[in-house]
Amino acid sequence: AQTVTQSQPEMSVQEAETVTLSCTYDTSESDYYLFWYKQPPSRQMILVIRQEAYKQQNATENRFSVNFQKAAKSFSLKISDSQLGDAAMYFCAYCAGGTSYGKLTFGQGTILTVHP
Amino acid sequence: NAGVTQTPKFRILKIGQSMTLQCAQDMNHNYMYWYRQDPGMGLKLIYYSVGAGITDKGEVPNGYNVSRSTTEDFPLRLELAAPSQTSVYFCASRPAETGKGQPQHFGDGTRLSIL
Repeated sequence: AQTVTQSQPEMSVQEAETVTLSCTYDTSESDYYLFWYKQPPSRQMILVIRQEAYKQQNATENRFSVNFQKAAKSFSLKISDSQLGDAAMYFCAYCAGGTSYGKLTFGQGTILTVHP
Repeated sequence: NAGVTQTPKFRILKIGQSMTLQCAQDMNHNYMYWYRQDPGMGLKLIYYSVGAGITDKGEVPNGYNVSRSTTEDFPLRLELAAPSQTSVYFCASRPAETGKGQPQHFGDGTRLSIL
């Protein structure tokens, strides 16, 4: 079974600074997808960024980018120019390709605090 | 667009009571999912469905039942509520296309307390 591990229960950053959230995963599959979801206090689950395993190029979405290291099974999220609205719980999630039916396996989450 | 709608948003149950958490989506997605999120933890898959009439167990199915009579609706049933089922429940959906890593769309969750 696949597992996803987020080893940082809590992280903090100063407004306008950069922070990196870590995620590692374990899988024997070669076809899979990785996601970062943001969960603010409102409890909504908001997609931040997605990475296809077969793509070597790291995904970017505005201030959010990933460092995808396939051999090391590592998928970290970098938030640049942090804003107060970035404060939330962040979840890393894994989805196998093929006939997995899109089921997600989540990490335990990292609480991000942004200081003004 | 409404997206994924969950009702109710909050509910308190007594031990042994039963209830149904409702989930509806208006995006014509074939795949639907139920997750639970315990305090300070990630989401765990309870059940999922790949289309009307087709459901299957996820990681933590005990104590729950589901049905999928239409593409739009995917209710989750708790038959005999237990304190261990106190959690936040999320419903999600996504298109059926394979090989594209389509992200799931989530509802706003139902906070359920069993006392």
